[in-house]
Amino acid sequence: EVQLVQSGAEVKKPGESLKISCKISGYSFTSYWIGWVRQMPGKGLEWMGIIYPGDSDTRYSPSFQGQVTISADKSISTAYLQWSSLKASDTAIYYCARLHGGYSSTPADYWGQGTLVTVSS
Amino acid sequence: EIVLTQSPGTLSLSPGERATLSCRASQSVSSSYLAWYQQKPGQAPRLLIYGASSWATDIPDRFSGSGSGTDFTLTISGLEPEDFAVYYCHHYGSTSYTFGQGTKLEIK
Repeated sequence: EVQLVQSGAEVKKPGESLKISCKISGYSFTSYWIGWVRQMPGKGLEWMGIIYPGDSDTRYSPSFQGQVTISADKSISTAYLQWSSLKASDTAIYYCARLHGGYSSTPADYWGQGTLVTVSS
Repeated sequence: EIVLTQSPGTLSLSPGERATLSCRASQSVSSSYLAWYQQKPGQAPRLLIYGASSWATDIPDRFSGSGSGTDFTLTISGLEPEDFAVYYCHHYGSTSYTFGQGTKLEIK
């Protein structure tokens, strides 16, 4: 069974750093792209970027380039999303998702449960 | 970057009725790269349709997708109570991924 299990909710202060995780099981981690999606409170979905764990090829949406870092650790089948300095506007639910079919030009078919990140002073 | 505009913003219908949701792209997109998702409160999105008209796994056939170029449609024939949710269209390309702003399908 394909599963993407994300780390738990976080409460942080502005300026702090954060790394959230997405643990994969049920398929070959290195054979499928993983994407990250933001959903701000009461708002729609925003695509942040993708990574291919097989070779760490990473692509960011223009709005998120330089704002976050996406990475992966093949040894533990886990993808990460990290911030070096959080802002209040980073408050959102963050989803990881597997891209179907092993290619970058495919939709996300399996999703994590989401990680709520709250940034507040 | 391709912009997807969904209409209407909110659609109020009764169970059993037919829902027609629209997604318009700012430039022509390959139908191979257009998907639809359903999202219920507190849940992750669920893939319904990909390639504009292909059903994802375990999706009932009352959901159907169509369209090409800049205009795409998701049709739900015979609404069930569990279908009331927010629906997003999504363009996925090797260098560009965007979502529409969503259509909320609510019970009338």
